[in-house]
Amino acid sequence: NAGVTQTPKFQVLKTGQSMTLQCAQDMNHNSMYWYRQDPGMGLRLIYYSASEGTTDKGEVPNGYNVSRLNKREFSLRLESAAPSQTSVYFCASSDAGASGNTIYFGEGSWLTVV
Amino acid sequence: RKEVEQDPGPFNVPEGATVAFNCTYSNSASQSFFWYRQDCRKEPKLLMSVYSSGNEDGRFTAQLNRASQYISLLIRDSKLSDSATYLCVAYWGSWGKFQFGAGTQVVVTP
Repeated sequence: NAGVTQTPKFQVLKTGQSMTLQCAQDMNHNSMYWYRQDPGMGLRLIYYSASEGTTDKGEVPNGYNVSRLNKREFSLRLESAAPSQTSVYFCASSDAGASGNTIYFGEGSWLTVV
Repeated sequence: RKEVEQDPGPFNVPEGATVAFNCTYSNSASQSFFWYRQDCRKEPKLLMSVYSSGNEDGRFTAQLNRASQYISLLIRDSKLSDSATYLCVAYWGSWGKFQFGAGTQVVVTP
């Protein structure tokens, strides 16, 4: 049972470089999310996709773009990385509307921007 | 004001003791509530859902108080393996809007 899979797990970028974090889920969930987690800040929503074909901004979208490629895949792109984007990034999915409505997370991607 | 607030702790608990902590939420439209557990450098994982009538899962008991807008988690007979950060989560909306607290750290000591 893979659940939510995200890559890469670790990445070091130089300021100004771009990169894409990949995420895929095999639970047939409608909704997918990208969060970042910083010490003392908790999880903050960057972007979400309520369903295939739609994406919306969360709390901290600046500096990021997303693509919901299909129902399974939701990628996060940093166009021009900044040191402030050093963080742990979690992709997640949920079956919105179903009983329970729990959210499942990938293992996280540790990104350092130098 | 944050929508979901938690005491960050740490709660230092002797092994075998009981620990309890709360979480308050500001959105009265919240439909569902959960406790997640997060170990250091790991992803959050569902510990348990929280129901209006209160519910237990082994040594863990969760309560919801809608009138005062808080949920609680109680851990009995604490184990060293219970050391973690516990995240309070409120859910509302049709598309799946989850609001996370910043977490309460629990440290169980021998």
